[in-house]
Amino acid sequence: NAGVTQTPKFRVLKTGQSMTLLCAQDMNHEYMYWYRQDPGMGLRLIHYSVGEGTTAKGEVPDGYNVSRLKKQNFLLGLESAAPSQTSVYFCASTHRDSPLHFGNGTRLTVT
Amino acid sequence: DQQVKQNSPSLSVQEGRISILNCDYTNSMFDYFLWYKKYPAEGPTFLISISSIKDKNEDGRFTVFLNKSAKHLSLHIVPSQPGDSAVYFCAASVWGSGGSNYKLTFGKGTLLTVNP
Repeated sequence: NAGVTQTPKFRVLKTGQSMTLLCAQDMNHEYMYWYRQDPGMGLRLIHYSVGEGTTAKGEVPDGYNVSRLKKQNFLLGLESAAPSQTSVYFCASTHRDSPLHFGNGTRLTVT
Repeated sequence: DQQVKQNSPSLSVQEGRISILNCDYTNSMFDYFLWYKKYPAEGPTFLISISSIKDKNEDGRFTVFLNKSAKHLSLHIVPSQPGDSAVYFCAASVWGSGGSNYKLTFGKGTLLTVNP
């Protein structure tokens, strides 16, 4: 049972490049979330999904897009990366009323 | 506007002593509160939670206290152990139709160091 798996673990992008972060969970969870963690800022919600085919904006959605085509996967896309998107990205999943299960993060640097 | 505040970026305690981590919130709609623990290079893991109908919840060495009138909660760790050294995040939610863990709002975290 792998839980929540994030791919890749590390990535360096140049300004303007695009990439997709993949989150996969094997717990049959309905809800999935993308958070970013920055020094001194805690965890901030980017986008979330309450089920397959549904997505919604969180606190800091600008510059990101998401898709939930399959229940077990939640993709976070950066169409044109900016240095301000340098961060550690965490994916999480949960059932209703259960604690969030987090992946181990993707460390992204945009130069 | 920061709705969940952890005003102490760091805390250092001796092994065996009590660690007290504090958290304040401004949104009076919050009615479910959680603490997560994070080690370097890992994702946060759930530690303990409390709903607003209680003022205390205990799980082994960990106890969370909630003071709704002061909009304040605290996490007590007794006795503290070196393995407790980590970043602790306070989180809150509005327990509505999405459930108790729906769209958690996190504080900035407090780095706890337990010295042997």
